Amino acid sequence: DAKTTQPPSMDCAEGRAANLPCNHSTISGNEYVYWYRQIHSQGPQYIIHGLKNNETNEMASLIITEDRKSSTLILPHATLRDTAVYYCIVNSGYALNFGKGTSLLVTP
Amino acid sequence: SQTIHQWPATLVQPVGSPLSLECTVEGTSNPNLYWYRQAAGRGLQLLFYSVGIGQISSEVPQNLSASRPQDRQFILSSKKLLLSDSGFYLCAWMGYGQNTEAFFGQGTRLTVV
Repeated sequence: DAKTTQPPSMDCAEGRAANLPCNHSTISGNEYVYWYRQIHSQGPQYIIHGLKNNETNEMASLIITEDRKSSTLILPHATLRDTAVYYCIVNSGYALNFGKGTSLLVTP
Repeated sequence: SQTIHQWPATLVQPVGSPLSLECTVEGTSNPNLYWYRQAAGRGLQLLFYSVGIGQISSEVPQNLSASRPQDRQFILSSKKLLLSDSGFYLCAWMGYGQNTEAFFGQGTRLTVV
């Protein structure tokens, strides 16, 4: 499985956009990039995923570079409830390795 | 719709005692099933995954084992718990292929005393 690299922590002011980067330089052509988040003491929650094209849903946008070696999750208007650990994962269809993620703190 | 059940929610067990955590999935067939552990303040560690009945892949050698006796049932076990087995255990399922998301249970918080 392709490994991912994320910054350990980030801060964002409430109402601003939160841009969370992820490097996945060894991703294969048929592997999808997934983003999940985990709020303390809960199971991870699916956010969004993509293969090549940028994706948007009601929660977030996903920007994938043309070479697919990195991606950025964008929370357009962060709220206090978006404070969580965000995981970027490359899905090979078998083992899902979450890594350590990015701890996002949204401040008032 | 698909649902995943995991129990118990919390568990306190003495060192050396056995463990059995059960996870069942409804509303889907032949899911990929996963067990994760999260130690306090740490990330999610993949312990086991299964792509079918009786098929178990272990990611990390340790004091635990997993079994899949039925298509939608995944069990995590230990014969003798260690203090280091304490943590938050999560079961998850995912459909076949790479274009499918994973769904997680609510987790079991295990404290070994």
